[in-house]
Amino acid sequence: EDQVTQSPEALRLQEGESSSLNCSYTVSGLRGLFWYRQDPGKGPEFLFTLYSAGEEKEKERLKATLTKKESFLHITAPKPEDSATYLCAVQAWNNNAGNMLTFGGGTRLMVKP
Amino acid sequence: NAGVTQTPKFQVLKTGQSMTLQCAQDMNHEYMSWYRQDPGMGLRLIHYSVGAGITDQGEVPNGYNVSRSTTEDFPLRLLSAAPSQTSVYFCASSLAGANVLTFGAGSRLTVL
Repeated sequence: EDQVTQSPEALRLQEGESSSLNCSYTVSGLRGLFWYRQDPGKGPEFLFTLYSAGEEKEKERLKATLTKKESFLHITAPKPEDSATYLCAVQAWNNNAGNMLTFGGGTRLMVKP
Repeated sequence: NAGVTQTPKFQVLKTGQSMTLQCAQDMNHEYMSWYRQDPGMGLRLIHYSVGAGITDQGEVPNGYNVSRSTTEDFPLRLLSAAPSQTSVYFCASSLAGANVLTFGAGSRLTVL
């Protein structure tokens, strides 16, 4: 059974204080690992897909990295507008369920000015 | 493009009542799916469809029905609502040849 665990559940940062969010996963053949951002009252918004260990992707202050067991979302010099819940999800190669994703519980990030 | 549109945004039901959550997409995506989001449990797949006329069960299908008569629409039906179905429901869609899901804004359902 595919499993995704995210830590910490919540993270409070001061503006400019860099940190990392962790996503540990077990999957029977990784097709892709996804990071989504979710704002309160809204649906998840796609950020990144990572496909193989060693891969990195960047977008503004965010950088996602991938190993064979976990992924990190690094946030450099965060701003208050980066406050959101960040969701990690995996997709397996043996997934016949219409691109089904298995999600972690999310990390709620709060950035104070 | 509107993307994935869900209605209603909020709904309160009494135990035993029935209702339908609507989902429509205008991106000509083949795949559509319904997830529910509960605190601390992440999003879980309820039902999915890989094309018009084709539906199947996900991880937590009990108490829910779906149908897919057109490419654009994928309604989720609760036949007899239970308090355990209190949740936020998200519809998502994707192209068959791509694996990135686009989500709707969600429908918050409370069953009393």
